[in-house]
Amino acid sequence: EPEVTQTPSHQVTQMGQEVILRCVPISNHLYFYWYRQILGQKVEFLVSFYNNEISEKSEIFDDQFSVERPDGSNFTLKIRSTKLEDSAMYFCASSGAGGPSDTQYFGPGTRLTVL
Amino acid sequence: KQEVTQIPAALSVPEGENLVLNCSFTDSAIYNLQWFRQDPGKGLTSLLLIQSSQREQTSGRLNASLDKSSGRSTLYIAASQPGDSATYLCAVIGSNDYKLSFGAGTTVTVRA
Repeated sequence: EPEVTQTPSHQVTQMGQEVILRCVPISNHLYFYWYRQILGQKVEFLVSFYNNEISEKSEIFDDQFSVERPDGSNFTLKIRSTKLEDSAMYFCASSGAGGPSDTQYFGPGTRLTVL
Repeated sequence: KQEVTQIPAALSVPEGENLVLNCSFTDSAIYNLQWFRQDPGKGLTSLLLIQSSQREQTSGRLNASLDKSSGRSTLYIAASQPGDSATYLCAVIGSNDYKLSFGAGTTVTVRA
């Protein structure tokens, strides 16, 4: 069964460093998302991406964040200058041509630890 | 802003008992509602998706109902097994956006 994959599974970085989290969505999906979950808190929406542009973003997704689909398979989240409070599990998700009417499939997550 | 609440926060039952997990949301203008399972330190596995026009959805031992007008959904798991132990998350998509708004989850423990 097709699945969303994410790399790395765990990333440790120093405060102020840039990190890039990578995702490979399900191959025929058209909508892509990033969510995060701070330890012990709810899963929070960050951004949705369709047709090579951001379709929606939350107030969390400020100028330090950016997303890109550099080729036909990868979808990346870049955090430019990490802060301690960026430590969280980051989940990538994708859905099919139906967009919001379709199931969102989640990857296993990348645990980001900012020291 | 959509707020999703799940009650109870935790539940412990003996094997074989039926589970009832509740989810409520404040804005009834939703596109659909999804139930997920999350194992400790792992990703989210989609269990069921109910479109806003549907009243319920079934998959094996799982049955989810949706009452959009009252802002409620219930997930029933029949004849629970120890392998059902996990956190169950409810999430809704608003009819004007593409983002899932999640509840905090119900952590289920099924005792053998």
